[in-house]
Amino acid sequence: AQKITQTQPGMFVQEKEAVTLDCTYDTSDQSYGLFWYKQPSSGEMIFLIYQGSYDEQNATEGRYSLNFQKARKSANLVISASQLGDSAMYFCAMRGLTQGGSEKLVFGKGTKLTVNP
Amino acid sequence: KAGVTQTPRYLIKTRGQQVTLSCSPISGHRSVSWYQQTPGQGLQFLFEYFSETQRNKGNFPGRFSGRQFSNSRSEMNVSTLELGDSALYLCASSPGQVHETQYFGPGTRLLVL
Repeated sequence: AQKITQTQPGMFVQEKEAVTLDCTYDTSDQSYGLFWYKQPSSGEMIFLIYQGSYDEQNATEGRYSLNFQKARKSANLVISASQLGDSAMYFCAMRGLTQGGSEKLVFGKGTKLTVNP
Repeated sequence: KAGVTQTPRYLIKTRGQQVTLSCSPISGHRSVSWYQQTPGQGLQFLFEYFSETQRNKGNFPGRFSGRQFSNSRSEMNVSTLELGDSALYLCASSPGQVHETQYFGPGTRLLVL
């Protein structure tokens, strides 16, 4: 079974600074995908970035980058130049296979990021 | 393309009632998954539909059911509501093939009194 661990319930960062949100995972699958989603107070889950287990380079999407360390089973999200609008819950998720062979997302508990002006 | 839409956005029900939630996926997406989010249990997978067939189901009681229509729109039904069913219900769509990103809707906030 897949498991995602996010050890930081809350994080604070000053506007314009960079912040790293931690995520470790556990799986016995050889092929898997890792995702980060942002959830503002409105509730919608916004897709940020994806990393495949066989991708040799770390994924980047604008101000978001994923620090993927396969041997350590970690997939930390780095947000550069934080903005006030980045204040939200951030979820790390892994794509896991269900018994029926389809896929589902397994989520961590989330990290609440607060960006201070 | 328009994103995933969910209706209604907010709902208040009483114990014992039933409720139906609706999800319209991104155009062209054939897979719709449902998740329940609560403060205590976090985000949990309910079920997934693909081409009008339930591909798999999470560990929820039979009171939770769903269906998908030929246009890929999906509905989720919860019968005999319990207080613990109060949650944010999120639906996500994807094209339906493996290794593809799921895109979420805004969710339906259900409060059971």
